[in-house]
Amino acid sequence: DAGITQSPRYKITETGRQVTLMCHQTWSHSYMFWYRQDLGHGLRLIYYSAAADITDKGEVPDGYVVSRSKTENFPLTLESATRSQTSVYFCASSRDTNSPLHFGNGTRLTVT
Amino acid sequence: GQQVMQIPQYQHVQEGEDFTTYCNSSTTLSNIQWYKQRPGGHPVFLIQLVKSGEVKKQKRLTFQFGEAKKNSSLHITATQTTDVGTYFCAGHANSGYALNFGKGTSLLVTP
Repeated sequence: DAGITQSPRYKITETGRQVTLMCHQTWSHSYMFWYRQDLGHGLRLIYYSAAADITDKGEVPDGYVVSRSKTENFPLTLESATRSQTSVYFCASSRDTNSPLHFGNGTRLTVT
Repeated sequence: GQQVMQIPQYQHVQEGEDFTTYCNSSTTLSNIQWYKQRPGGHPVFLIQLVKSGEVKKQKRLTFQFGEAKKNSSLHITATQTTDVGTYFCAGHANSGYALNFGKGTSLLVTP
């Protein structure tokens, strides 16, 4: 959907580097989410946020940091990238807890 | 914590055959959502089921929510090549607002 954009689409980084994945939505949705997708694991929740300045850990938060200073942005930072963090990362947003998720196009991250 | 399990992991059918994927939760769900992800794409919302025993149809797709609100199924009648992709179920536990996804069923349809 055009209303939620992720950048970059592709990223290659080295082990130990810090990298930030960006997510921006134009719907003013309260809820935002970060998932990672790996073969055999489906979509696993990393972090989520119910509103600006409110964030919660998901299933696999270790090694990641998030912030939500503005409703429309929800960046995901890998403080010291590891090869196990090579994955496709999806950001999503929803209007409320019972509404569907709208996903961005994803960021394919490779850690060498 | 809540777990959502989906079977089968893969399914390969001939065009025209039917297809079913099943979703089971370890806990009661407040609702269940289904998503489709085309190869190389992102998950796209298909439908949400809320009521116990609910059945919804979208053309050739039939979605069911179990009476106990712990399982669900998606059935595709007479598959077409456009049905290729991975189908995910996702559920909210009664106490949480984050969706937990199943691992998905990858459907391959050959003409």
